[in-house]
Amino acid sequence: DGGITQSPKYLFRKEGQNVTLSCEQNLNHDAMYWYRQDPGQGLRLIYYSQIVNDFQKGDIAEGYSVSREKKESFPLTVTSAQKNPTAFYLCASSIMTLNNEQFFGPGTRLTVL
Amino acid sequence: GENVEQHPSTLSVQEGDSAVIKCTYSDSASNYFPWYKQELGKGPQLIIDIRSNVGEKKDQRIAVTLNKTAKHFSLHITETQPEDSAVYFCAASSGSNYQLIWGAGTKLIIKP
Repeated sequence: DGGITQSPKYLFRKEGQNVTLSCEQNLNHDAMYWYRQDPGQGLRLIYYSQIVNDFQKGDIAEGYSVSREKKESFPLTVTSAQKNPTAFYLCASSIMTLNNEQFFGPGTRLTVL
Repeated sequence: GENVEQHPSTLSVQEGDSAVIKCTYSDSASNYFPWYKQELGKGPQLIIDIRSNVGEKKDQRIAVTLNKTAKHFSLHITETQPEDSAVYFCAASSGSNYQLIWGAGTKLIIKP
């Protein structure tokens, strides 16, 4: 089955700890994205990557970091510098065409205790 | 930069009735307008999209209309069913950087 996987589905973290969220895709898509979603709100872009070993900041990159060492993988690290990290995190991927359809993973719900 | 506004934030309709969700965009260069459906605890999924060279597109019970002059587009769901209950997001893209600019979402509630 082709698709995007995110793990874990639920993640709990103590304040002051860094945590890494996994995102893997086997769709052979060039572009990958990380979004944050807070209750009752839309999707806010954290980081995106259009090619291996390159990535760009989105609207809310502060307190987050990413890497893109492989085309299939785009992990997101939530650092202790992120002031309010409790949220639902969504990873997406797309081919870079005029119709920029993004395919989403199931999401990771991060709770800071 | 591009901005997408979506209304209403919550919409409650009787099962079998129609639902309409509206979005406006600011960047006249936008040329791709997808609609996504997000069920509780899941990632959004594309349900229909439209390009700027088309005024309307239908897929069974759902349709999207685009008014380029007014810079707004709408999602129409007819004969609503309980499984239509979800959050719906509109988005717009100019294609220049392969990003989507998202609306804030509409929670659609189908009353039995």
